[in-house]
Amino acid sequence: QVQLVESGGGVVQPGRSLRLSCAASGFSFSIYGMHWVRQAPGKGLEWVTVISYDGSNIHYADSVKGRFTISRDNSKNMLFLQMNSLRVEDTAVYYCAKKLSGGTGYPPDSWGQGTLVTVSS
Amino acid sequence: EIVLTQSPDTLSLSPGERATLSCRASQRISNNYLAWFQQKPGQAPRLLIYGASSRATGIPDRFSGSGSGTDFTLTISRLEPEDSAVYYCQQYGNSPPYTFGQGTKLEIK
Repeated sequence: QVQLVESGGGVVQPGRSLRLSCAASGFSFSIYGMHWVRQAPGKGLEWVTVISYDGSNIHYADSVKGRFTISRDNSKNMLFLQMNSLRVEDTAVYYCAKKLSGGTGYPPDSWGQGTLVTVSS
Repeated sequence: EIVLTQSPDTLSLSPGERATLSCRASQRISNNYLAWFQQKPGQAPRLLIYGASSRATGIPDRFSGSGSGTDFTLTISRLEPEDSAVYYCQQYGNSPPYTFGQGTKLEIK
């Protein structure tokens, strides 16, 4: 049974940094690409970033490019999101999600329950 | 960047009726890489449909997807009270960003 558990959220001041983690279990983590998707309070879903199974291929939304860094540790079945220069508009629930299949051209299928990041002075 | 526009914003129907939700893309989506998600309050999204028309594991056959190119539809036949949720489309085919639509809120009277 796929399980994704996010952690690391909290309240942080604008301009500061935060690192989110996602612990994966119940599947072969090292063969699946992984996404981060966020949702501001009361708003819709916003795709943030994706990393390939081996970390060699990474893409970001323009809204976070240059500030956020996605990474993974396949030896520990962990996914990370390093968030720097945080802005008020980064306030959201952050979900990690596993791609449906190990190949290209698949959406996220399994999602964690999310971790709330609040950027406020 | 591909912009996805969903319609209507809100849909209110009765149990047993059919719901038709639309997702229109600002440019053609390659390989029909279009997914639909259901999200209930306080829960993570749930994948319903991928590849425009393939049902994800465990999804009832009341849910069906269709369309190609720039116009896609999610149909929910024989609505049940638990279908009340917000539904999002997402494109994951063209180069990132893998954008989402703004969502359609489905209310079951």
